[in-house]
Formats: sequence, C-alpha cells, structure tokens
Amino acid sequence: GQSLEQPSEVTAVEGAIVQINCTYQTSGFYGLSWYQQHDGGAPTFLSYNALDGLEETGRFSSFLSRSDSYGYLLLQELQMKDSASYFCAPRQLTFGSGTQLTVLP
Amino acid sequence: DAGVIQSPRHEVTEMGQEVTLRCKPISGHDYLFWYRQTMMRGLELLIYFNNNVPIDDSGMPEDRFSAKMPNASFSTLKIQPSEPRDSAVYFCASSQQGPTEQFFGPGTRLTVL
Repeated sequence: GQSLEQPSEVTAVEGAIVQINCTYQTSGFYGLSWYQQHDGGAPTFLSYNALDGLEETGRFSSFLSRSDSYGYLLLQELQMKDSASYFCAPRQLTFGSGTQLTVLP
Repeated sequence: DAGVIQSPRHEVTEMGQEVTLRCKPISGHDYLFWYRQTMMRGLELLIYFNNNVPIDDSGMPEDRFSAKMPNASFSTLKIQPSEPRDSAVYFCASSQQGPTEQFFGPGTRLTVL
C-alpha cells in the first residue's frame, strides 16, 4: 500500500533549528518535494530531492534516504515568518495533512 | 508572469447546484494539477493533466466531479450536483517538470450550503 507520515505539530523558538521528518511508502518513487503553506495561502515549493543526500537552500535544507524511505526538512535560524504548515510530497502521493510549525518569540 | 490564475476566489452555492471552477496555468507549463484541501483530509490530488491529456484521475472522489482541459491555457473542474461535503479550498497548480516543482494558484474557497 501507500502511506505518508509527518508529525502533525512542531513548536520551536526563534533562532532555533527544527527538523521535520517524513516517512513514506509507495509503489513508485521519483523524489521527495517539500512545500510551505501559510494560513490562508497557497502551498509554495521549497525543495526537491531526487537522490540521497542533503540539499541546501539558504536557511532550509532537505535530506533524503531512499533505502530508508525517509526524508527531513531542516530549518535553521528560525524566524517568526517560518510559522506555517510544511508538506512532504513523494511523487504520485497526496500531500497529506502536513506539519504545523509554530515559532515562538 | 502572473502565476496560476484561479476563478472565482470564493464561491457560495446551495446543495444540488452545479459549480465550475476555472484555472489558467503558467504559460509554457505542460502539467496541470487540481487539489482539494480540507482540515480533515489535508491536501488531496484530484486529477492531473500532461499536455492537456488527463493522466491520473484516481483522486476524483466520484462521478459528480469532472475536469477538462480543452487547451494549454485553460482548465475547469466541475461539480454537479454539489453537496455540503464538497466544501473545501480547491487549488490548481502547474509545472514544467511533472509533480516535482509545482506552482499553486491562490485557490477557490467553495462553500456548499
């Protein structure tokens, strides 16, 4: 079958580092994408991992291990504006309910 | 580029009425996706097109839902007849390279009374 798991909520303080994990099970896999969605807004693309390893884009990094069917999004130097929902999306799967990140002052 | 354009932004209708949502993808994007988002079910892929051809409609909930893409710059999602459980935000997205990097429209908030 197919499944997708992320924590429903994560809370951290401004300036901290937070990691949002994603595990998946799918019959076909072509890479892992991450999206950010602020309340009332549309999802916006953050990153994509086609191969194993770490991809860095500014304060955000994304990691993939295909053998473990696992990935994570790492957010550094958290800012208040990072408070949002974060979705991992293995190709061919729904985005699910995502992880609600709350950044506290 | 104006990005993905969706209309209307808000729609309130009564149960049993027909609803048509519209989407204009980013020019040059060959893929178009329709999603539905609710608190209970999260963000669900309904259907996607490649070069105006439906590729995967397995997410379309039932026969009341239909989607068309008559040309590269326009798509519709129709619900007939609508039901209260169809109330959700419907997003359209487009991309150049399949599902990996999608650009979402602002969404249509549908309320069925």
